[in-house]
Amino acid sequence: DVKVTQSSRYLVKRTGEKVFLECVQDMDHENMFWYRQDPGLGLRLIYFSYDVKMKEKGDIPEGYSVSREKKERFSLILESASTNQTSMYLCASTRQGMRQFFGPGTRLTVL
Amino acid sequence: AQKVTQAQTEISVVEKEDVTLDCVYETRDTTYYLFWYKQPPSGELVFLIRRNSFDEQNEISGRYSWNFQKSTSSFNFTITASQVVDSAVYFCALSEAGRDDKIIFGKGTRLHILP
Repeated sequence: DVKVTQSSRYLVKRTGEKVFLECVQDMDHENMFWYRQDPGLGLRLIYFSYDVKMKEKGDIPEGYSVSREKKERFSLILESASTNQTSMYLCASTRQGMRQFFGPGTRLTVL
Repeated sequence: AQKVTQAQTEISVVEKEDVTLDCVYETRDTTYYLFWYKQPPSGELVFLIRRNSFDEQNEISGRYSWNFQKSTSSFNFTITASQVVDSAVYFCALSEAGRDDKIIFGKGTRLHILP
C-alpha cells in the first residue's frame, strides 16, 4: 500500500523558531510537493522537487525553504516562524503520469 | 492562465438528498487532467477520480458520478443519496500545462450532510 507520511500531525511553535516539517514516501516517486491549506484559499503550492537536490518555487515560497537530500524525503523549513504561517501543511508525491498521493497533513500553530 | 473555480463555498443538504458540486476550469491546453479529491475532517486528501481531457465519458462509481463537459469547461461531481459520511471538503483540480503530475486546486467546497 502506497504511503506518504509526515513527521507530525500537530505542531505548536513560537515566533522566530526554526521549524522543520518532514515528509517521507515509500513509493520511489521522483516528484514531491509541499502545499499549505488555509480556509477559503484551497491548497497553494509552496515548493516542489523533481529529483534529489532539485527544487523549484511554487506560488508562495516566501518565508520557506526546502531540502531534498534523499529521494524519499522532502523537508519544508520555516527559517523564522511567524504567526501568518499558522496553517495546515500537506505533502504529496507522484511520478510522471500518475496522480498525487497525499500525506495526512501537519497542523502548525505559531504563537 | 490556468484556473479552477468552485463557486460553491459551502453546501448543506439533508441526508439522502442528491447534491452536485460544481467545477469550472480554464486552460489553453488540449491535453490535461482533471481531478476530484475529498478531504474528511481527519485532514488527509482522498483521491476520487482523474479524468483525461480526451475522455468525455461520464463516470459512475457507486453513489458518485462525474459529468465532464468540455464545451462548458466543467467537471461536476454528483453524490446520490448522500450520507453523513460524505461530509467533507471537496477539491477539484487541473493538471498544469504540459505536466500531468503538477496540479492546480480550486478553493474547495465544504459539504455538510445533515442527519
